[in-house]
Amino acid sequence: GDSVTQMEGPVTLSEEAFLTINCTYTATGYPSLFWYVQYPGEGLQLLLKATKADDKGSNKGFEATYRKETTSFHLEKGSVQVSDSAVYFCALSGGFGNEKLTFGTGTRLTIIP
Amino acid sequence: DAGVIQSPRHEVTEMGQEVTLRCKPISGHDYLFWYRQTMMRGLELLIYFNNNVPIDDSGMPEDRFSAKMPNASFSTLKIQPSEPRDSAVYFCASSNYGTGVLAFFGQGTRLTVV
Repeated sequence: GDSVTQMEGPVTLSEEAFLTINCTYTATGYPSLFWYVQYPGEGLQLLLKATKADDKGSNKGFEATYRKETTSFHLEKGSVQVSDSAVYFCALSGGFGNEKLTFGTGTRLTIIP
Repeated sequence: DAGVIQSPRHEVTEMGQEVTLRCKPISGHDYLFWYRQTMMRGLELLIYFNNNVPIDDSGMPEDRFSAKMPNASFSTLKIQPSEPRDSAVYFCASSNYGTGVLAFFGQGTRLTVV
């Protein structure tokens, strides 16, 4: 079945550092890929998405590119801020007939001033 | 739109009691998902509905768990009888396939069974 493997956390960085959180997936067909973010005490929020190979999703300075050849969707940000501290989840959806979201285990990110 | 609304936000109950969690999806969304989040197991899909019909309930852990969606604007997840290992945060999410399956999550119900 479909699965998502995420970089193990927690990750601690200094403010303005470069961020990469790795995500790889296993799926049949052509899944859509997502990054969700969860702030303390809240539900998950969609951060960005990509629906086909070579698409780049971006939002709030975060980017991720759908790489079908390496089955990856790594999350990057050039300069992190304290407010980016949260748990980040990579997810995929199989599309029509397989609409459920399959999540990775999540990566806790802490940014130190 | 107010987003996905879950109630209660927090629930503390004694082992053996019945617990009912409630969810109001975003108006117009035709998919509804119930997830459970724990430190040990992460986010697990319990069940999802399409147009009020259960499509996949393979994630429901035991017969103690049941979910219903009597209409497009309301769903319940019931645990009877509850056990301490059911303690978790339960999330409801809704989406509309026409928007590319962008699931919008509620704020969750934190359940503690003592």
